[in-house]
This record gives sequence, structure tokens and C-alpha cells, in this order.
Amino acid sequence: DAGITQSPRYKITETGRQVTLMCHQTWSHSYMFWYRQDLGHGLRLIYYSAAADITDKGEVPDGYVVSRSKTENFPLTLESATRSQTSVYFCASTQAAFQETQYFGPGTRLLVL
Amino acid sequence: RKEVEQDPGPFNVPEGATVAFNCTYSNSASQSFFWYRQDCRKEPKLLMSVYSSGNEDGRFTAQLNRASQYISLLIRDSKLSDSATYLCVVTGYNQGGKLIFGQGTELSVKP
Repeated sequence: DAGITQSPRYKITETGRQVTLMCHQTWSHSYMFWYRQDLGHGLRLIYYSAAADITDKGEVPDGYVVSRSKTENFPLTLESATRSQTSVYFCASTQAAFQETQYFGPGTRLLVL
Repeated sequence: RKEVEQDPGPFNVPEGATVAFNCTYSNSASQSFFWYRQDCRKEPKLLMSVYSSGNEDGRFTAQLNRASQYISLLIRDSKLSDSATYLCVVTGYNQGGKLIFGQGTELSVKP
């Protein structure tokens, strides 16, 4: 039972590079989410998706792009990485948006030099 | 004002102590309420949902007061393994299903 996985788990990149973080879930959950977690800010929503080909902005979407061509995958791309995007990124999924818990992946720790 | 606010912590308590965490939320239309637990910057995991009538799961009791827009979590007989950060979370129909997280309260249980 793989659940929800993220790759890579750790990534070091340089300013200006494009980086893609992968998220894959095996439950066929409709909803998927990307969060970033920084000291002093807690978890903040970047983007979310209610179904394949449906995505919407969260609280902090600038500098990020998402796509959802398949229900099980929800990649997050940093088009031109900046130091301020150094963070821990969590992907999450849930079947029903309002009543059910969200299940989180193990996170990707990204360092932008 | 943040949508979800929690006690800043950290809470340092001895084993066996009872500790209570408080949380307030600003959106009166919020529908669902949760406590999540997060260990050492690992992924958050659901601890328990919070129902209007209050609910208990072993040593953990959650309460919701909609009129005051207040949520609480009580941990009795604290264990070393309870050391973690506790996140108060709300969501609702007018929030698009998005979880709104509090900043978390850190708990450290000492021997």
C-alpha cells in the first residue's frame, strides 16, 4: 500500500534553475494539494486540484506551476527557483474536500543556493 | 489577523501531566475541524476530528465551541511519545475545501 509518495525527498539547486517536484497517490483521491512549510509561517497552500485538469491557486502560488493530467499525479514546478523558495514541500490528497482528513506525503526538502 | 490562531508554546511538561491546547478561528462559516500532529518536520498526520458534541480518543479529548469559534485539545497522562507539534486545522465550503492550518503548538514531554 504505497499511499502518497513524493520525489525527490531532498533537492539542492541553484537560483534560476527549473525544478519539478513529483507527487503520486495510489488511492484515486479526487483532491490533491501542495503546501510549503517554513519556520514562522506554518503550512501554506500553494496550489490545489479538485480533479484531473482542474487546478486552482492557493495562498502563495507565485513562482510555481502545477498540472494534473492524471488523477494520481500532481507535479509542482518552480519555473525559475529563488532562494525564498527554499522550504519543505508537502503534497496531500483527500477524496472529499470538506469532511475527510488529508493524507500527506513525506515531504521534499528543497534548498535553493 | 490569522484565520487560525494557536497558543504559541512551546509547552514543556513532565510525564503524566495534563496539558491543554487552545485554538481560535476567524471564519464563522468553517465547517470541519481537526487536530493534526507533526513530528520533527515530518508530514502532518491526523490526530482526531473535532465534533460539535466533543469527542474523546483514549487520552485525547477535543472540544468545539462554535459560538466562540474556539477549539481545544486536552491530553491526559502525557507520554514521552506525545512530544510533537500539534496543528489546529479548519476548513469549510466557502474555503474551497482547503485546509487552513494554525502555526502549531510544540509540546515537549520530559521524563
